[in-house]
Amino acid sequence: EVQLVESGGGLVQPGGSLRLSCAASGFTFRNYWMYWVRQAPGKGLLWVSQINSDGSDTTYADSVKGRFTISRDNAKNTLYLQMNSLRVEDTALYYCVRGTVGFDPWGQGTLVTVSS
Amino acid sequence: DIQMTQSPSSLSASVGDRVTITCRASQGIGNDLSWYQQKPGKAPKRLIYDISSLQNGVPSRFSGSGSGTEFTLTISSLQPEDFATYYCLQHNSYPLTFGGGTKVEIK
Repeated sequence: EVQLVESGGGLVQPGGSLRLSCAASGFTFRNYWMYWVRQAPGKGLLWVSQINSDGSDTTYADSVKGRFTISRDNAKNTLYLQMNSLRVEDTALYYCVRGTVGFDPWGQGTLVTVSS
Repeated sequence: DIQMTQSPSSLSASVGDRVTITCRASQGIGNDLSWYQQKPGKAPKRLIYDISSLQNGVPSRFSGSGSGTEFTLTISSLQPEDFATYYCLQHNSYPLTFGGGTKVEIK
């Protein structure tokens, strides 16, 4: 079974940092592009970042560029999102997603709350 | 950036109704359009990819159509388990963009 399990969310003060992880299983992780998508409470979906299969190419939404860094460890089948200089508006449920003609599947999400 | 305008933002329908949701792209996106269903407290699930290809395991009452800049998700006969929020996604160019969502509620 293809599975994505996120972790690392939590409560952080504005200006703080968090590192999200996504453990992948059930498929050949190194063959797929991977993505982070977030959803603020009661709001819609927003693409955050992507990374290609070998980690050599990354792209970011303007709202997180320069603050967030996506990376992956293909030996550990794990995707990461390093989030620095966090803002209140970064509060959201962060989903890890596999890229395959769109997004499938999605992890269950990890909640990031930025508040003082 | 490609804007995805989804309509309506919400609708009320009865079991058995035919439901149509539309996404309009601000420029052409080829076949790079997919649809997702999200139930409360759950992660989104892909229903349709490449405009009209049905995801494995998704009931055939769901269908997608369209071309160019206008795309449609149709539920031919709404079932109780279909009450949810639906999103379109364009993955033709960065930034990838979702429609604003359509909440399908029980009439």
